[in-house]
Amino acid sequence: EIVLTQSPGTLSLSPGERATLSCRASQSVSSNYLAWYQQRPGQAPRLLIYGTSSRATGIPDRFSGSGSGTDFTLTISRLEPEDFAVYYCQHYGNSHFTFGPGTKVDVK
Amino acid sequence: EVQLVESGGGLVQTGGSLTVSCAGSGFNFNNYAMSWVRQAPGKGLEWVSFISGSGDATHYADSMKGRFTISRHNSKNTLYLQMNSLRAEDTAIYYCAKIDSYGNHNDYWGQGTLVTVSS
Repeated sequence: EIVLTQSPGTLSLSPGERATLSCRASQSVSSNYLAWYQQRPGQAPRLLIYGTSSRATGIPDRFSGSGSGTDFTLTISRLEPEDFAVYYCQHYGNSHFTFGPGTKVDVK
Repeated sequence: EVQLVESGGGLVQTGGSLTVSCAGSGFNFNNYAMSWVRQAPGKGLEWVSFISGSGDATHYADSMKGRFTISRHNSKNTLYLQMNSLRAEDTAIYYCAKIDSYGNHNDYWGQGTLVTVSS
């Protein structure tokens, strides 16, 4: 069973700064099966990135994903006020989905 | 516009049963696999179950296997999750989510329905 670890647990940044979020898998995974979601307070999750680096419909290009093997990264190039939220990575494999524990991006 | 609307949440006693539903619209419901994901208060996301578009294939997280049953009624564009032998730790918001045609991520989510299990 794949276990996803996200770091840091909390990232304190200011608007306009760059955010780099990490997702590490317990074993090598296909980059096709790694996705990222954003969850704002009181809202449902929203798909940001799928297949490691493809942006979902309507997602601004300040969001980008990269990585391979066991190490994946979500980058927000310049934080906007609405980007302060919790971010989850997700893996699909063997007909099961697994979520990481999340990274909270909050205002410094 | 894709819409997913959950219903049926509420307060249930420990050991009891509850069925939550999810009505889909704005897409060809029977063409897409669906999943349930839950979130305990103040916690992260936890995948619960998957069902194929036809309903022929289902999968469950280990902690829910044998207690939860996912099903769908395609002519009603509705997804269900029947939950039995409920425990306090099943208290959560239950989200239904559409699975993209690639079959490996959730591209649309409902707003969730809260299930509270208490003695």
